[in-house]
Amino acid sequence: EIVLTQSPGTLSLSPGERATLSCRASQSVSSSYLAWYQQKPGQAPRLLIYGASSRATGIPDRFSGSGSGTDFTLTISRLEPEDFAVYYCQQYGSPTSNTFGQGTKLEIK
Amino acid sequence: QVQLVQSGAEVKKPGASVKVSCKASGYTFTGYYMHWVRQAPGQGLEWMGWINPNSGGTNYAQKFQGRVTMTRDTSISTAYMELSRLRSDDTAVYYCARDREAVHVNLFDPWGQGTLVTVSS
Repeated sequence: EIVLTQSPGTLSLSPGERATLSCRASQSVSSSYLAWYQQKPGQAPRLLIYGASSRATGIPDRFSGSGSGTDFTLTISRLEPEDFAVYYCQQYGSPTSNTFGQGTKLEIK
Repeated sequence: QVQLVQSGAEVKKPGASVKVSCKASGYTFTGYYMHWVRQAPGQGLEWMGWINPNSGGTNYAQKFQGRVTMTRDTSISTAYMELSRLRSDDTAVYYCARDREAVHVNLFDPWGQGTLVTVSS
């Protein structure tokens, strides 16, 4: 099973700043089957990025994803107040298993 | 629009079973796999398995095999997740989530609103 490790655990930034979140896999993620989700308190997660770099429907272009193999990054170019949340990466390359990272909490500094 | 509406919160005793429902609307229910994901309080996301609503075929995460059963009723576009032999560490919010694509890709979009299951004596 592929283990995903996200860093940092908590990221403290101010609105307008750039956020860089990391997701490292224990083995190569096939065909860049790596997704990112955003979860706000009391809400269900929302798909942001799939295929490592494709934005889901309705996701603002300040969110971007990159990476391949074992190292992936979610970048938020200019933080808006509504972007402060927890972010999870997920690998979905296997039809019979899915794993999530442990999450990165993005908090207001 | 695509919508998944889950059943309400449950409180169960250790050893009991719980069955959570997920009613789908806004799309062809049998055309997309449905997944179940849980989240313990203050913790991360844990995938439990999927059901193919067309065939009824299922695949469960190894951790839950023998305790989880996923079913569906196509006549009312509803998926179910039943977890048996509940323990205190099964206390969590349980989400259903539809596969994003009509082909099985294991991407979760959209999600239901979640159902809190509390296991307590």
